[in-house]
Amino acid sequence: GESVGLHLPTLSVQEGDNSIINCAYSNSASDYFIWYKQESGKGPQFIIDIRSNMDKRQGQRVTVLLNKTVKHLSLQIAATQPGDSAVYFCAEKVNTGFQKLVFGTGTRLLVSP
Amino acid sequence: GAGVSQTPSNKVTEKGKYVELRCDPISGHTALYWYRQSLGQGPEFLIYFQGTGAADDSGLPNDRFFAVRPEGSVSTLKIQRTERGDSAVYLCASSLGLAGDNEQFFGPGTRLTVL
Repeated sequence: GESVGLHLPTLSVQEGDNSIINCAYSNSASDYFIWYKQESGKGPQFIIDIRSNMDKRQGQRVTVLLNKTVKHLSLQIAATQPGDSAVYFCAEKVNTGFQKLVFGTGTRLLVSP
Repeated sequence: GAGVSQTPSNKVTEKGKYVELRCDPISGHTALYWYRQSLGQGPEFLIYFQGTGAADDSGLPNDRFFAVRPEGSVSTLKIQRTERGDSAVYLCASSLGLAGDNEQFFGPGTRLTVL
């Protein structure tokens, strides 16, 4: 079936460290993945996306890596800041003719000053 | 510009009552989505509109849930005979259209509590 899950429910880091958040997906036919950040009381906010024909994509302080062999996705945040504290979700776009998103459970990132 | 807005931000109701949750998408966005997010979980797809029509309602849990978008802009999610298990945050998102890379912009959600 379709499912997207995360390995670690909570990740605690120090300010300035690099953070890595992991995600496993099960639908090998999925060809598009997105990372979202969700702060308390707010809706998910797009961070970065990647297509299955890519292994890596970089944004501002963030990098997404895709390993299709083991169906694994990761989000790397460089020089983590307190403002990065939030819950992070990976989402898989299911090819149904429209953008149906399948979200994982989420990882809470806690950044200590 | 204005993002997706949802009203009310919080709704407390009693078991068995009827509720309506409203979503105002970003102006010009033809695609609109509803999701439900239970505590500690990721959002779960409910229904998708392209224009006025519900293109896919496969995520609605049962026939107590219904959504409309009569003029292709504002959408209302309606829940009849609410149950305690309906308690969750209901999120709305909109995007420019069907194209694969059109980003979905989420609203802040409506927190529904059924007592």
